[in-house]
Order: sequence, then structure tokens, then C-alpha cells
Amino acid sequence: AQSVTQLGSHVSVSEGALVLLRCNYSSSVPPYLFWYVQYPNQGLQLLLKYTSAATLVKGINGFEAEFKKSETSFHLTKPSAHMSDAAEYFCAVSGRAKAAGNKLTFGGGTRVLVKP
Amino acid sequence: GAGVSQSPRYKVTKRGQDVALRCDPISGHVSLYWYRQALGQGPEFLTYFNYEAQQDKSGLPNDRFSAERPEGSISTLTIQRTEQRDSAMYRCASSLAPGLNEKLFFGSGTQLSVL
Repeated sequence: AQSVTQLGSHVSVSEGALVLLRCNYSSSVPPYLFWYVQYPNQGLQLLLKYTSAATLVKGINGFEAEFKKSETSFHLTKPSAHMSDAAEYFCAVSGRAKAAGNKLTFGGGTRVLVKP
Repeated sequence: GAGVSQSPRYKVTKRGQDVALRCDPISGHVSLYWYRQALGQGPEFLTYFNYEAQQDKSGLPNDRFSAERPEGSISTLTIQRTEQRDSAMYRCASSLAPGLNEKLFFGSGTQLSVL
């Protein structure tokens, strides 16, 4: 069984400061890993994904994440926060079995507040 | 359509009533997924389809929940004899192909409140 843990349900950052959102996963085999963002009253949007190519993955809106197998982590970062980054962020994992399709297991989410 | 469309946007019902939630995926998308998101939690997988075939329904909580996609496009998630614990945001997503890491496109969801 797979699971995802996001440390911190709420994060507050100042505009221009580093954004760091933590995600740790549990999986019996190397999984695929994803970060999704959810803006108010909208559906989830894919930020980036790790599928066993480069361990440092770059996504949209200046976000990136690094897969660290030894730490079973996939933390999301952005060097400089913008007001528009205020949203809820979800880390997710999926298996590699073909039958799994795109069945994702999500973490509990981290809500980001950006202070001017 | 331009995106995944879900209706209704909000549904308030009384305990014991049946509800039907509709999802219209992006045109041409093969795979369709249903997720449920309780307040303050991440989405939880319910079921998914490739074309009209239901591939996995292991996430459906009990037999009051069912889903169909009869023509491989629009899907309906039905909850019979609703209970208060069914209150949540129900999200639909679609992907172009049934590949393992195909990008999912999510709809805005249906917020279900059972009184």
C-alpha cells in the first residue's frame, strides 16, 4: 500500500521568500510522484511530476521538486514566493502497475498563505 | 469542451435521498476518474473508467455508491440513501490516455451536503 504525508497543513511565507513544502511517501516500489495545486473554486492542476528520469523536476510557475529515494521525500520548492502562489498544494503518488492507471494517493494538503 | 465540467456545482439533500452527480470530461479523453475530498483532506480515489469500462471500483465506500459511463463519455456517480457522512466535495478528472502517468485534468467538483 502507498501513502503520502505532507508535513504542515498550513504554511505562511512572505512575498519574495523561499517556499518549501514537505512531502514524504511510503511505497514498496519506486513510485511516480506528483504535486498538484488547487486555487479557490477551481480543480486541481498539475504542477510537476517525477517518473524516474531526472531526480530534480521543474514544473510550472517556477516550482521544482527533488526526488530523494534515501529519504523517501519529494519536497516542493520555489525560490521566491509571489502573491499568486497562495493556494493549497497536494503531493500524490501512484504505482507503476499498468492496472493502476492513474489512481493517485494524495496527501492531506498544505495551504500556503503569502504575506505582502 | 474546454475543461472537465461537473454538475451540479452544489447539491444539498436530505438524509435518505438519492443523488446523481454528473461529469463531462474533456472531449476525446479515454480515462475518467472519480475522487472524493473531505474538508481539510486530500482527494481520495473512488473509481475509474477507460472508455465505458469500469476498471477499478475499489475506492467506492460501500454498495450505496455506484458509477457508470455508458457511452464512454459522460459519467454519473450515484449515491443511494445518502448519509451525513457522504458530505464532501466530489471531483472528477479525465486523461487523454490510460497511461500510467498521463496528466489528469480535474473539474471544479460538486459540493455535496447531506442534512
